[in-house]
Amino acid sequence: AQSVAQPEDQVNVAEGNPLTVKCTYSVSGNPYLFWYVQYPNRGLQFLLKYITGDNLVKGSYGFEAEFNKSQTSFHLKKPSALVSDSALYFCAVRDGGNTPLVFGKGTRLSVIA
Amino acid sequence: DAGVIQSPRHEVTEMGQEVTLRCKPISGHNSLFWYRQTMMRGLELLIYFNNNVPIDDSGMPEDRFSAKMPNASFSTLKIQPSEPRDSAVYFCASSSRGGRNTEAFFGQGTRLTVV
Repeated sequence: AQSVAQPEDQVNVAEGNPLTVKCTYSVSGNPYLFWYVQYPNRGLQFLLKYITGDNLVKGSYGFEAEFNKSQTSFHLKKPSALVSDSALYFCAVRDGGNTPLVFGKGTRLSVIA
Repeated sequence: DAGVIQSPRHEVTEMGQEVTLRCKPISGHNSLFWYRQTMMRGLELLIYFNNNVPIDDSGMPEDRFSAKMPNASFSTLKIQPSEPRDSAVYFCASSSRGGRNTEAFFGQGTRLTVV
């Protein structure tokens, strides 16, 4: 069975600094990986996904994620954090077609002005 | 497209009452998922449907929970009778036929409080 792990419950970063939110995965076949963001009292919003091809995936709001097969990681990154990036971030993996996404427990990002 | 639409946004009910949560998926999507989010357990998958057929309901916590999808544009999650421990945010999500590389789109959620 597939799974993802987000080792950090909380990440704090100063505005303007680069940010990284970590995710590692475990799948039996090829990984299909996703990042979502959740703002307070809102649903989850899709940020980006890795299917195949380039290991650096670009997504919404200036976010990108780096896929590393040897380390089974899919870390979310942004070169310069904004206060408005403060939210809850979820990594997810999908195995078969039309099967549910399996989510990590989430990482709360706090960007301090 | 208006996205996934859930109703109500907030529901406060007394223990023992029946609660029905509603979801309208994105038009053309053939998979629908119900998740529950709590502080303690994070996001849990309750049940999902493909082409209106329930595929896996192993995440439904108890027989008090039931879900239906009578057609491609509507699904319900019912709790009868409700208990305080059912208090959570319930999300509905849908995705298209694209397969494993297709993202799911989430509704705004229903915040359920059982007192």
